[in-house]
This record gives sequence, structure tokens and C-alpha cells, in this order.
Amino acid sequence: AQSVTQLDSQVPVFEEAPVELRCNYSSSVSVYLFWYVQYPNQGLQLLLKYLSGSTLVKGINGFEAEFNKSQTSFHLRKPSVHISDTAEYFCAVSLTSRNDMRFGAGTRLTVKP
Amino acid sequence: DAMVIQNPRYQVTQFGKPVTLSCSQTLNHNVMYWYQQKSSQAPKLLFHYYDKDFNNEADTPDNFQSRRPNTSFCFLDIRSPGLGDAAMYLCATSRDGGTGGYEQYFGPGTRLTVT
Repeated sequence: AQSVTQLDSQVPVFEEAPVELRCNYSSSVSVYLFWYVQYPNQGLQLLLKYLSGSTLVKGINGFEAEFNKSQTSFHLRKPSVHISDTAEYFCAVSLTSRNDMRFGAGTRLTVKP
Repeated sequence: DAMVIQNPRYQVTQFGKPVTLSCSQTLNHNVMYWYQQKSSQAPKLLFHYYDKDFNNEADTPDNFQSRRPNTSFCFLDIRSPGLGDAAMYLCATSRDGGTGGYEQYFGPGTRLTVT
């Protein structure tokens, strides 16, 4: 079965600084990869996804992620964060054969002024 | 706007008293999911419907049941809530469950408190 590991449970960062949230996955077969964001007391919202093609994926709110098959990673990056980016971020993986999505434990990003 | 709606947003129930959470969608998606999310944890899939076909996760307790009377609505029934069932319950939909890669659209969640 596929699984996801988010390497940092909390990431504090100052406003306008760059940030990277790390995600590694494990699967013996091909997968699709996703990043979701969850604001307090809300559901999850898709930031971006990798299905195929270019390994650099651009998403909403200025976020991007790079798929690295050899390192089985899908790290999320933003060159300059805002206070409003404070939220929980979840990496998720699904098999290419079925829509069975598994989420990582989440990374809480806190942007400080 | 097309969306996933969950009611109520906050639900308080007593230990052992049955409770039903509801989810509706205007996206006309054929797949609907129920997740349980405890504080500071990842959403955990309880079950999903592919059209009318019900798919239960192996580790979902029997205490949790679900109904999907039509495409738009899906219900989560907790027959005898325990203190450990206090959590956020998230409903999600997707366009197709036959293969991977389809985005899931989430509702805002229902926060369940068990007293």
C-alpha cells in the first residue's frame, strides 16, 4: 500500500521568507501526488497535484512542488510567504489504478510578522 | 457555486446517543467519501461510495454506518458514540473513483463533541 511521510510537523517562518515543506512517499507502483491546505475549522483545499509530465508543478497562492522519482519526494515550496499562508498542509498520494488517497500527518506552517 | 455542504457545522451528542451527520453536494460527482480527522492528525478514510456501491475501510468500526439515498446526499450515522469518536468529520466528493488522479473536493466539516 502507498504511504506518505511529512518530515516536519511544524514549520515556523517569518513573513516574506521562503519556505519548503517536505514530503516523501512510499509505493511499489506508480502514484499521483497532491498537496492540500486546511485553514482552521475548514475543509481541505487542493493546492496542486502531479499526475504526469513536467516534474515542477505550479499551484494556487504562489505555491509550487517538484516531483522527484529517484528520491520519492514531492516537496512544496513558496519563495515568499504571507501571514495568510498560516495553515495546515497535507501531502497525499493515490495510486494510478484507483482513487484511494492517503494523507500524510500534516505540517503546520506558522508565518510570523 | 458548486460545492460540498455539511450540516451541522458543530454537533454535540451524549455518550451512547445515536447521531447523524449529513453531507450534500451540487457537483454531481459520483464518488463521496467520509473522513474522520482528530486534532493535529491526518484525515482518516472511513468509507466511500462509488455511485451506490459502498466501500468500507477494513479498520472502520462497526459503530459507523453510512447511507447514500441519491447522488447528492450522503449521511454518516454513529450508532453509539464514545468519547473517542469526538473529531472533525469531513465529507469529500470526486468525479470518478475508477482510477487515481481525481481531485477530492471537501466540505467544511462537522466538529463532533461527545459529552
